[in-house]
Amino acid sequence: QQQVKQSPQSLIVQKGGISIINCAYENTAFDYFPWYQQFPGKGPALLIAIRPDVSEKKEGRFTISFNKSAKQFSLHIMDSQPGDSATYFCAASRGDYKLSFGAGTTVTVRA
Amino acid sequence: NAGVTQTPKFRILKIGQSMTLQCTQDMNHNYMYWYRQDPGMGLKLIYYSVGAGITDKGEVPNGYNVSRSTTEDFPLRLELAAPSQTSVYFCASSYFGQGALRIQPQHFGDGTRLSIL
Repeated sequence: QQQVKQSPQSLIVQKGGISIINCAYENTAFDYFPWYQQFPGKGPALLIAIRPDVSEKKEGRFTISFNKSAKQFSLHIMDSQPGDSATYFCAASRGDYKLSFGAGTTVTVRA
Repeated sequence: NAGVTQTPKFRILKIGQSMTLQCTQDMNHNYMYWYRQDPGMGLKLIYYSVGAGITDKGEVPNGYNVSRSTTEDFPLRLELAAPSQTSVYFCASSYFGQGALRIQPQHFGDGTRLSIL
């Protein structure tokens, strides 16, 4: 049973476009929502994270939007670059350490 | 700083064989984790440890065992390999503290790709 549901499974975007990945969760006890980026042959690496006391967090071209009432959060990649081509995982946890991951989204940025 | 190091990187096992996946970290992190990653399924937590001598089950512990005798090392043991254990295994570590130090990301190794035939 997937505690965090992620969509889409994959997406293709043109260079300079916007990539949007959505996640939904059921457990209202979750209080930490990170996004991880994974390149082929490598382990995931933390990209950006948010807590439910804020509705948006931005770091460079990456923005998390959080909707506590809808139990949804999303990652927006602005001005997508070929180097952003990777698999992105959303995750959620209660207490920061036992992460439940989404199924992942493979993003391909076409030059 | 090497971070989280996993060995071996690749391994092929026969059904019924056993093996140990090694994981070591040099960041003095107190928490360590083992995940498996299957296509289209994300990462599933197998076991985790909150410190030397303390381990606990995650979401998918069946068929695996762990031990944590030191802060640095957290090996994962497969006793009787089964085809369902074909997967990519990731070890991770993090620091879990109090106050401002509480929010610390998990650092992952580059994985062990295991095939069981």
